[in-house]
Amino acid sequence: EVKLQQSGDELVRPGASVKMSCKASGYTFTDYAMHWVKQSPGQGLEWIGTIIPLIDTTSYNQKFKGKATLTADKSSNTAYMELSRLTSEDSAVYYCARDDLGWEGVMDAWGQGASVTVSS
Amino acid sequence: DIQMTQSPASLSASLGETVSIECLASEGISNDLAWYQQKSGKSPQLLIYAASRLQDGVPSRFSGSGSGTRYSLKISGMQPEDEADYFCQQSYKYPYTFGAGTKLELK
Repeated sequence: EVKLQQSGDELVRPGASVKMSCKASGYTFTDYAMHWVKQSPGQGLEWIGTIIPLIDTTSYNQKFKGKATLTADKSSNTAYMELSRLTSEDSAVYYCARDDLGWEGVMDAWGQGASVTVSS
Repeated sequence: DIQMTQSPASLSASLGETVSIECLASEGISNDLAWYQQKSGKSPQLLIYAASRLQDGVPSRFSGSGSGTRYSLKISGMQPEDEADYFCQQSYKYPYTFGAGTKLELK
């Protein structure tokens, strides 16, 4: 069974950074790209970017360049996303989602989500 | 960026009723269109990809169609477990973009 287990909810101060994780199991981690998606009440679903763990290649939504940094650890089958210089606009639920092997850009498995609340 | 305009924003359907949700892309996306279902408090789940291909395990009452810039999701016979939010998403061009969603409720 494919499973993406995300780290827990975070409460962070404005201006700080947060790093969240997404541990994959049930498939070969390096065979699939991993997406990150933001969901907020005001903006709906937004694609942040994608990482290909096998070759450590990333693609970002221009809107999130400088805000999000995607990495992956092949030894632990875990993808990470770090968000920097947090503001209230970054308060949202963040998902990792596996890219469908045969259909690039299709997200065929999702993590449970991690809520980030930015507040002083 | 490609804009995905989804309609309606919400709808209510009776048990067994057939429901359709539309998605209009701001430019042609060559059938690179997926539909996701998100139940309350849960993460999105893939229903349809490549405009009309049913994801494994998804009930056959769900179907997708369309081409060019216009796509639709049809539920043939509303069931209580279909009450959810539905989103379309284009994977034709970066950045991938989603529709604003349709809230489907059981009447």
